Amino acid sequence: GQNIDQPTEMTATEGAIVQINCTYQTSGFNGLFWYQQHAGEAPTFLSYNVLDGLEEKGRFSSFLSRSKGYSYLLLKELQMKDSASYLCAVRDTRGKLIFGQGTELSVKP
Amino acid sequence: ETGVTQSPTHLIKTRGQQVTLRCSSQSGHNTVSWYQQALGQGPQFIFQYYREEENGRGNFPPRFSGLQFPNYSSELNVNALELDDSALYLCASSLGAAILNTEAFFGQGTRLTVV
Repeated sequence: GQNIDQPTEMTATEGAIVQINCTYQTSGFNGLFWYQQHAGEAPTFLSYNVLDGLEEKGRFSSFLSRSKGYSYLLLKELQMKDSASYLCAVRDTRGKLIFGQGTELSVKP
Repeated sequence: ETGVTQSPTHLIKTRGQQVTLRCSSQSGHNTVSWYQQALGQGPQFIFQYYREEENGRGNFPPRFSGLQFPNYSSELNVNALELDDSALYLCASSLGAAILNTEAFFGQGTRLTVV
């Protein structure tokens, strides 16, 4: 079966660092994506991992361990505008994206 | 702005009716995927079109159907609408279905409400 798990919600303080975890079990793997989605808007691409290790992109970093079926998204120097839903998605070998239910992040002052 | 446009942005339909949603893919992209996102959930894959052929389908009944045109734009048709079909429908375009390092760009979505 296909299963992607991530926490339902998290709260963090402005200026802090937050890590959003994602574990997956899928029948095929062709990369893991993180998307940010503000309420009522389309998901926007944040990061992509296909090999093990850390990918850094400004304030956002994403890590992948294929052997453990595990990824995390790290957000540094949190800003109020980072309050959003963060979606972890695995792409299978046919290009289909399988999404988790999303993690609702609230950034407090 | 991703270059992927969907129409309409909002729609209200009555149970039992039929609806057609439209998506224009980003220039140069030949693959379009459709997703259904219920409130508070992640998007669920409906189907994917690559060069006008359906090449993958999720767990949705046959009353969900689609088309891709020669210019790679796409339509999603839903017949016999049910209340549970109320959701945000997202279209994503990409270049190739499973080419590495190809991200999918999402349109802004169509919010469908079935009453």
